[in-house]
Amino acid sequence: DADVTQTPRNRITKTGKRIMLECSQTKGHDRMYWYRQDPGLGLRLIYYSFDVKDINKGEISDGYSVSRQAQAKFSLSLESAIPNQTALYFCATSGGGPNSPLHFGNGTRLTVT
Amino acid sequence: RKEVEQDPGPFNVPEGATVAFNCTYSNSASQSFFWYRQDCRKEPKLLMSVYSSGNEDGRFTAQLNRASQYISLLIRDSKLSDSATYLCVVSRSGGYNKLIFGAGTRLAVHP
Repeated sequence: DADVTQTPRNRITKTGKRIMLECSQTKGHDRMYWYRQDPGLGLRLIYYSFDVKDINKGEISDGYSVSRQAQAKFSLSLESAIPNQTALYFCATSGGGPNSPLHFGNGTRLTVT
Repeated sequence: RKEVEQDPGPFNVPEGATVAFNCTYSNSASQSFFWYRQDCRKEPKLLMSVYSSGNEDGRFTAQLNRASQYISLLIRDSKLSDSATYLCVVSRSGGYNKLIFGAGTRLAVHP
C-alpha cells in the first residue's frame, strides 16, 4: 500500500461546485503539503501544515481551503471550482530534518468544466 | 523571470550516453538544492540532494555553483529506465515551505 494516499485519482466537476480532495499518510510525518502542477510550470505550494493545529498559506492559496483533521489526514477543498483550477494536485509529507525528502501521493487529476 | 529555470528538453539520447542538465536559480539566498525525478503521470520522487562540494550517487553526479547560481545533474551510462522528467528544486530558506520547483527537463533514452 502507498504511504501517502490521495482520493480521488481523477475528478471532473463543473464550475461553481464544491469539491474536496483527500490525503492520508501512514509515514507518521507531522508535516503535510498540498501542491498543484500545471504544464510548463513547476509545482506550486497551496497550503501546508506542520502539526494538527497548524495551517499556513502557500504561494497560491486563493480559492482553496484545507483541513488537518488528524496527524495522518490533510484535505484540500475548492469552495467554488473554476476552470483555471484544472490541474494535477499532489499531497506530500516530510519529516523534520533539513534534507528530509518530500514524499508525494500519487496525485489527483482535477478537471473543472 | 522564473525563480528556477530549466531547459524543458526533451533530451533524446541513446542508451549508454552521458547527458547533463543545468538549472539556474535567481535568489542568491537559496540554501538547499535537490533533484527530483518524475515519471509520466506519476508523483515526483527525490533523486538526490545537492551539496556544496558536489556529490555522486552511482551513475548520477550533482554539482552546485553558487557564484553562477546554477546546479547540474550528470547522468552517465544512460539506461532506458532513466527516461523521465528531472525537476530542479531550490529552497529559499532551508525549509520545506519555501521550496521552489523548476518546470522540469524531459529525458528520453532510446535503444
